[in-house]
Amino acid sequence: GDQVEQSPSALSLHEGTGSALRCNFTTTMRAVQWFQQNSRGSLINLFYLASGTKENGRLKSTFNSKESYSTLHIRDAQLEDSGTYFCAAEDSGGSNYKLTFGKGTLLTVTP
Amino acid sequence: NSKVIQTPRYLVKGQGQKAKMRCIPEKGHPVVFWYQQNKNNEFKFLINFQNQEVLQQIDMTEKRFSAECPSNSPCSLEIQSSEAGDSALYLCASSPTGYYAEQFFGPGTRLTVL
Repeated sequence: GDQVEQSPSALSLHEGTGSALRCNFTTTMRAVQWFQQNSRGSLINLFYLASGTKENGRLKSTFNSKESYSTLHIRDAQLEDSGTYFCAAEDSGGSNYKLTFGKGTLLTVTP
Repeated sequence: NSKVIQTPRYLVKGQGQKAKMRCIPEKGHPVVFWYQQNKNNEFKFLINFQNQEVLQQIDMTEKRFSAECPSNSPCSLEIQSSEAGDSALYLCASSPTGYYAEQFFGPGTRLTVL
């Protein structure tokens, strides 16, 4: 099965509202990254976490390695937040540092 | 955000042709990764390097791809004989170390194999 299970696969928000994305891990991960992929395909780094919680503007992310999950909270959504969001994690048992990605959440923000 | 440079942005090849793409990692980042993202948003790790040395590569990469990261030159990934199933976005990432380090991605090379 997939090592990284991301949900929901799609999410629609009205401007000004918020929601949360979640990734569950089936193995112990040592760090997680969250990305936004824009319409041109570029992956924009949002967060890197080895533990705990980070906040940046309207975004907040938490990584709990013990309980094997990470979340990304978006508040006061804006039109430019639309895109596909991916979590990706580094397996703590791995020795080559590669990231394993979730399948993404397609976020659509509407006026 | 990221300073990783990838060229070309788009590549169109016929089946059986070679397809070569390049990546310049961020300055000071000795670790370079190549990933393939297909149209179903599935990412596949292909190969990674630390300086000029291969750290790990998957079976497919070993058999059908050639990749290198020479000193003072761009890294490259080349598919020796393109197949329709190779059509995908190829992403290069770099990081300052391999372990517990954030990876920064380039804009990708979108390969279409006709």
